[in-house]
Amino acid sequence: QKEVEQNSGPLSVPEGAIASLNCTYSDRGSQSFFWYRQYSGKSPELIMFIYSNGDKEDGRFTAQLNKASQYVSLLIRDSQPSDSATYLCAVKRAGTGNTPLVFGKGTRLSVIA
Amino acid sequence: GAVVSQHPSWVICKSGTSVKIECRSLDFQATTMFWYRQFPKQSLMLMATSNEGSKATYEQGVEKDKFLINHASLTLSTLTVTSAHPEDSSFYICSARPGLAGRRNTADTQYFGPGTRLTVL
Repeated sequence: QKEVEQNSGPLSVPEGAIASLNCTYSDRGSQSFFWYRQYSGKSPELIMFIYSNGDKEDGRFTAQLNKASQYVSLLIRDSQPSDSATYLCAVKRAGTGNTPLVFGKGTRLSVIA
Repeated sequence: GAVVSQHPSWVICKSGTSVKIECRSLDFQATTMFWYRQFPKQSLMLMATSNEGSKATYEQGVEKDKFLINHASLTLSTLTVTSAHPEDSSFYICSARPGLAGRRNTADTQYFGPGTRLTVL
């Protein structure tokens, strides 16, 4: 089982709809969870992080964390064509000091105008 | 805040030459920096972890003598691709972690530079 799993997509949603991106992780002790967006040919940019169970909202983005089920999701409300990108889920495992985040392979989102 | 720069943004070189890429954290001190490379339409691949003042930790399969990493200060890390060959052509991206004491989740966050596109002829 991979440490961080994401459906590669593409996930296609119409403009204005809610896009739902999911991620599961294998290490139950993981402590911090991140969502990054990467446009084609560009480097990843941080969207938000979450570390407590429940929802965290930032503008059109909502991250949801369920540690018991070991999944984290990202909802994008009112999706725009400019949201079309690859979304990377990343996890910081507990007790791993200054090791890098563990990244999923990303889900490609396509918002259709 | 949390801006990371890379220089150069792109470079074209002849086979056999060495190329140095700089990664700087502009508004924070980075105790740890990470180097990734990414081939077209593929995932990020971690190359090495670099801590200020100590030797880098390389991932399995990454040649430490070919990819030299120096983290001389809390704001600068460099990656030198020595004797570059066409198969080294890739998108190289650095990432920096603030490591702020007492602020767990900000400390865990990795901020990425804009990347350097290397083409070896």
